[in-house]
Amino acid sequence: DAGVIQSPRHEVTEMGQEVTLRCKPISGHDYLFWYRQTMMRGLELLIYFNNNVPIDDSGMPEDRFSAKMPNASFSTLKIQPSEPRDSAVYFCASSPLPFGVGETQYFGPGTRLLVL
Amino acid sequence: GENVEQHPSTLSVQEGDSAVIKCTYSDSASNYFPWYKQELGKRPQLIIDIRSNVGEKKDQRIAVTLNKTAKHFSLHITETQPEDSAVYFCAASSSGNTGKLIFGQGTTLQVKP
Repeated sequence: DAGVIQSPRHEVTEMGQEVTLRCKPISGHDYLFWYRQTMMRGLELLIYFNNNVPIDDSGMPEDRFSAKMPNASFSTLKIQPSEPRDSAVYFCASSPLPFGVGETQYFGPGTRLLVL
Repeated sequence: GENVEQHPSTLSVQEGDSAVIKCTYSDSASNYFPWYKQELGKRPQLIIDIRSNVGEKKDQRIAVTLNKTAKHFSLHITETQPEDSAVYFCAASSSGNTGKLIFGQGTTLQVKP
C-alpha cells in the first residue's frame, strides 16, 4: 500500500487566494483526519470523518476553512480566502477502526503551505 | 475538556544515556496511548503504543509504561543514538472509541554524539 497520499506537497500562494489541499487515505480505512501543525500551536486536529461523514469539526478555525469527503478515497481541505496566519504544515491521517479494536492513525507526508 | 500534558518540552542527552518523556491525560476513559516520532520535515510516525489493559511494553531500546490510576504514561529510550534526535508526541484516545486522538505538545529530543 502506498500509504496516505497528500497533494500538493508544497503550496505558496498570496493572501486572499483560495487554497485546496487533497488527501487519499489508505484503502479500507474508515477514519480520516485533518491536522494543522505550527511551531506555536503544535499539532491541532481540525476535523475528522468516519465513513465519509464529518464527525467533529470543532477544530476548524473559522468559516474560511471547509472540508469535504465525497467518497471513501478522497478528501479536500479548502481555505478561502487564505491569510498569512494560515501558513503551516497540514497533515492528513487515516485509521481503520476505533482504537478499542483497531490500530493507530497513519499520517500522510503533509502539505507545507505558505501564504504571503 | 480532554487534555494531554507532555514534559519536558526539550530534552538534551549524551549519546548512550537514557531519555524519559512523561505525559499526563485527563480523560479516565482513554484506553489507547500511542507515541509518535517526527523527524525534521517528516511526518509523525508511530514508534510504540500501549493499551489500558497493559502496564508496560518494550520494543528493543524503547519502552512505554502506563499508570492508569495516576493517569500518566511515559516513554523510555535507552542507549540513545544521534538518530533518535527528533520531536516525540504522546497521545491518548478520546473517550467513546471515536477514533480521535488527543496529542501532547511534543518533546524535542537532542542526542549529542
